[in-house]
Amino acid sequence: DQQVKQNSPSLSVQEGRISILNCDYTNSMFDYFLWYKKYPAEGPTFLISISSIKDKNEDGRFTVFLNKSAKHLSLHIVPSQPGDSAVYFCAASGTDSWGKLQFGAGTQVVVTP
Amino acid sequence: NAGVTQTPKFRVLKTGQSMTLLCAQDMNHEYMYWYRQDPGMGLRLIHYSVGEGTTAKGEVPDGYNVSRLKKQNFLLGLESAAPSQTSVYFCASSYTTSGRYNEQFFGPGTRLTVL
Repeated sequence: DQQVKQNSPSLSVQEGRISILNCDYTNSMFDYFLWYKKYPAEGPTFLISISSIKDKNEDGRFTVFLNKSAKHLSLHIVPSQPGDSAVYFCAASGTDSWGKLQFGAGTQVVVTP
Repeated sequence: NAGVTQTPKFRVLKTGQSMTLLCAQDMNHEYMYWYRQDPGMGLRLIHYSVGEGTTAKGEVPDGYNVSRLKKQNFLLGLESAAPSQTSVYFCASSYTTSGRYNEQFFGPGTRLTVL
C-alpha cells in the first residue's frame, strides 16, 4: 500500500524552462513533506520541505506547493538547469508514524540544452 | 566532517552467504535508518534506531538484522542472502524525527547482488 505516489516516472524539460514534479499522498495524518534529489551512484540529498500548516515554501529556484484538500504537492524548478538532471523523490511523515518517512517511487528529470 | 559513510560500496554474494553492511555517521545524530531502493519502488525502510542500543522494524524487515552498539554506527546484517535481497542499500541519520528537523542525511549506498 503505497501512501506516497509519484505517477510520472520521467520528465524531460528544456534548459531555462520550468520543471513541475507532482506527488500525491493518501494518508491524512501526514504533516510534513520533503523533496530529495538523487544523482547516480550517490545517496539522496535533501532539497526542500514544507509543513502542513503552509501551502508554499520557496528556496531559490525551488518552490514546493501543498494542496491539503487534494492531498497533492508539487515541486517547481525555475529556471531548470542541466545540473538539475537527477531523480527526485517526494517523502512524507506524519504524527501516526513516529516520523518515519514514506517515499514515492521517484521522478527522473532530464534537462536538455 | 564526512557525514554518513557506508562500507562496502559494492558486493556480490552467493545465495545463502552472510554479510554485514556498516554505516557510520559523525554528526552525533540519535536516529539512524536502513533503506533499500528497488526500481519503481522508491526507498523502503528496513530497520531503524532511535538511539544507541535500540532498534526497531521498518516496512520490510524480513531477512535482515541490525545492531546499534555505538551511537555513530548502525550495522545491517544478512544471515542467509537470497536473490530477492539484490538491491541498493542506503543508510541515513537524522537529528530528530519531528517536523523540519526530520531531514535525513543519506550515505552513498551499497550495491548488493545476490546470485
